[in-house]
Amino acid sequence: AQTVTQSQPEMSVQEAETVTLSCTYDTSESDYYLFWYKQPPSRQMILVIRQEAYKQQNATENRFSVNFQKAAKSFSLKISDSQLGDAAMYFCAYRDSNYQLIWGAGTKLIIKP
Amino acid sequence: NAGVTQTPKFQVLKTGQSMTLQCAQDMNHEYMSWYRQDPGMGLRLIHYSVGAGITDQGEVPNGYNVSRSTTEDFPLRLLSAAPSQTSVYFCASKETSLSSGANVLTFGAGSRLTVL
Repeated sequence: AQTVTQSQPEMSVQEAETVTLSCTYDTSESDYYLFWYKQPPSRQMILVIRQEAYKQQNATENRFSVNFQKAAKSFSLKISDSQLGDAAMYFCAYRDSNYQLIWGAGTKLIIKP
Repeated sequence: NAGVTQTPKFQVLKTGQSMTLQCAQDMNHEYMSWYRQDPGMGLRLIHYSVGAGITDQGEVPNGYNVSRSTTEDFPLRLLSAAPSQTSVYFCASKETSLSSGANVLTFGAGSRLTVL
């Protein structure tokens, strides 16, 4: 069965600096999707970025980018120029062949002003 | 505004009581699902539906029932609440077409349930 591991329960970064959140996953499939979702204190789950496994190019959305290492089964999220509004729980998720999402336990990101 | 609407946002129950969490979406999404979120854990899938009249179990279905009589609505029922069901519940929906956008879940705002 697929698993998703986020090894950092909490991370902190100074405002305007860069932070990287780690995510690893375990699968025997070759084609799949990976996601990062953000959950601010409002509790709303918001899609940050997604990556299709067959695409070698790393996905980028403004200040958010991923480092997708398919062979290593690693999918880290880099946040550049961190802003106070980036403070949230961040969840990594893997979409399996049944189109269900497998979720990591989350990383709490703290932004220091 | 278009999206996923969950009600109620907060609910306190006594052990053994029953209740229904409501979920409605106006995006004509075929796929709908219910997750629970507990501290230190990722979201866990309770039940899901790929269309009206079709439901299936997720990872943690025990103690919960669902039905899907319309495309828009996907209620989650607790028939006899237990303290172990204290959690935050999320409803989510998505398309099921072959477009890449079909993989993106749209979430409701969550419902915090406390069972005493």
